[in-house]
Amino acid sequence: DTEVTQTPKHLVMGMTNKKSLKCEQHMGHRAMYWYKQKAKKPPELMFVYSYEKLSINESVPSRFSPECPNSSLLNLHLHALQPEDSALYLCASSPGAGRGNQPQHFGDGTRLSIL
Amino acid sequence: EDQVTQSPEALRLQEGESSSLNCSYTVSGLRGLFWYRQDPGKGPEFLFTLYSAGEEKEKERLKATLTKKESFLHITAPKPEDSATYLCAVQASQGGSEKLVFGKGTKLTVNP
Repeated sequence: DTEVTQTPKHLVMGMTNKKSLKCEQHMGHRAMYWYKQKAKKPPELMFVYSYEKLSINESVPSRFSPECPNSSLLNLHLHALQPEDSALYLCASSPGAGRGNQPQHFGDGTRLSIL
Repeated sequence: EDQVTQSPEALRLQEGESSSLNCSYTVSGLRGLFWYRQDPGKGPEFLFTLYSAGEEKEKERLKATLTKKESFLHITAPKPEDSATYLCAVQASQGGSEKLVFGKGTKLTVNP
């Protein structure tokens, strides 16, 4: 079992739907991340939140909207997605800047399929 | 630009046949090099962090080493349960970024 919990595990949605992915960690980490991973590819960074503030946005389309309500939670709001957005979406957390070069810990992801 | 290259892309071993995976990197100031294991349909599982050349870390049948240009993941007497994709990632020191740069991974298959 991982210490980063993601829900739902699977999600199928149409291109006009609005849905949200959720991520939770209780390790006291202050940096949280969203990654997108296509089959047989490495994870691609989408967003980084550091101390609940968005610090990195890797030029992600606006149909993906991140939100960090508090230090333990990270959401990814989805709207008007395209079929090419089908992928495994991974959440990760780490202690955060200024607390050493500690590894990121990943959840098991949400498998997203766009019809 | 920071880059990570892993080789081979895929590796098939017989149970008990030791081998090594390679991770070559080019980075503007290394803050850390990380090894992860990823099983199909799961998120990457953290294995090791290496910070400076000459450093070594061990866990069960796995041993990770680091030089100024590359890292090796040595697998001694592997078992079928070691089958997975092994990912290498580096974190650069420039700008204090938390960003990781991943290699494309090595898919390891261990046959019984």
